[in-house]
Amino acid sequence: AQRVTQPEKLLSVFKGAPVELKCNYSYSGSPELFWYVQYSRQRLQLLLRHISRESIKGFTADLNKGETSFHLKKPFAQEEDSAMYYCALSGAGSYQLTFGKGTKLSVIP
Amino acid sequence: NAGVTQTPKFQVLKTGQSMTLQCAQDMNHNSMYWYRQDPGMGLRLIYYSASEGTTDKGEVPNGYNVSRLNKREFSLRLESAAPSQTSVYFCASSLEARTEAFFGQGTRLTVV
Repeated sequence: AQRVTQPEKLLSVFKGAPVELKCNYSYSGSPELFWYVQYSRQRLQLLLRHISRESIKGFTADLNKGETSFHLKKPFAQEEDSAMYYCALSGAGSYQLTFGKGTKLSVIP
Repeated sequence: NAGVTQTPKFQVLKTGQSMTLQCAQDMNHNSMYWYRQDPGMGLRLIYYSASEGTTDKGEVPNGYNVSRLNKREFSLRLESAAPSQTSVYFCASSLEARTEAFFGQGTRLTVV
């Protein structure tokens, strides 16, 4: 079974402060991990995936297999980062993309 | 490009009524999915279709049926709607397993 846990329902930070959205997973094989974002009144879209190792909109995420984590980080939060963030996992050979319950990020001006 | 298109955007049903949610993608993707999104629950997979001609149950399939009509279209049917099926439904598609999923704009369904 595959499971994704996002421990924070809501995270509020001030503009310019660092952001870390936590994601822990449970999966015995080699996972493919993603962060999806849903801005207000917009559809869910991919922010980044661990295999690409990119920085998108200043966000990065590192897969830590020892701690089974894939935390999303940004050094300086911007107001436009306010959104709902979902961590998701796909197992080896699996079509099932399992989502966490999401974290609502609110950036305070 | 339209991407993934869902219809309708909003729907109110009475308990026991039936309806079909339509989804179409124009990206030539092989795989398509139906999710429901409930407050505090995240997105949960209802059914998916790995490729044209195949469908499989996801995490919460009870009360739903699906049809992969062709490569472009994947519909979700509620045969006898229940208040517990009040939710926001998202259709998604991807080229194949473990690749980026593209989502529709969602259908907000209320069952009274």
